[in-house]
Amino acid sequence: DTAVSQTPKYLVTQMGNDKSIKCEQNLGHDTMYWYKQDSKKFLKIMFSYNNKELIINETVPNRFSPKSPDKAHLNLHINSLELGDSAVYFCASSNTGQEDEQYFGPGTRLTVT
Amino acid sequence: RKEVEQDPGPFNVPEGATVAFNCTYSNSASQSFFWYRQDCRKEPKLLMSVYSSGNEDGRFTAQLNRASQYISLLIRDSKLSDSATYLCVVNGGSYIPTFGRGTSLIVHP
Repeated sequence: DTAVSQTPKYLVTQMGNDKSIKCEQNLGHDTMYWYKQDSKKFLKIMFSYNNKELIINETVPNRFSPKSPDKAHLNLHINSLELGDSAVYFCASSNTGQEDEQYFGPGTRLTVT
Repeated sequence: RKEVEQDPGPFNVPEGATVAFNCTYSNSASQSFFWYRQDCRKEPKLLMSVYSSGNEDGRFTAQLNRASQYISLLIRDSKLSDSATYLCVVNGGSYIPTFGRGTSLIVHP
């Protein structure tokens, strides 16, 4: 019944590793997002994906790459993890991308050691 | 100037108090506005959308002032369960919503 789900919930890994976070939504929405929330609780958008069009936030390092196999899934792959990547990553989805509310997943707490 | 600005607080109020938060935005072309609530270690959830005419949902009232480029949230008769961080969200188009840093509210007995 979960509207937006993410796996894993917790991820602890070492610097330099490559990891992926998966997101799935069963709401039939056409837009999905990845957000990063840092230790100061600032929620910042990383990517949005609308009907196969990827909108990239230019401040995101190219070590981060989103992949959307279909409208219901948006995964986030991170190469060469760095200490500064430690944060909570939230996936979200909405319809149309502008007027409708976003539904968030429970978050993935990433710790890079 | 930051795109969306909020007073981080915390606002520390007793139960039953009325409290108001403001949020200013810099993009005059912004099209839609929202208040979200985030509890500690949880995901943000929509509290209410903010319409040009203002809107009310129980103890919560949201207002939009396009001329001065701010939105507000008023909470009446505060409950302990209202303690959370309140996030202002502004959509300027291009599917890039912008979140404010949030305002922390603590309601005490």
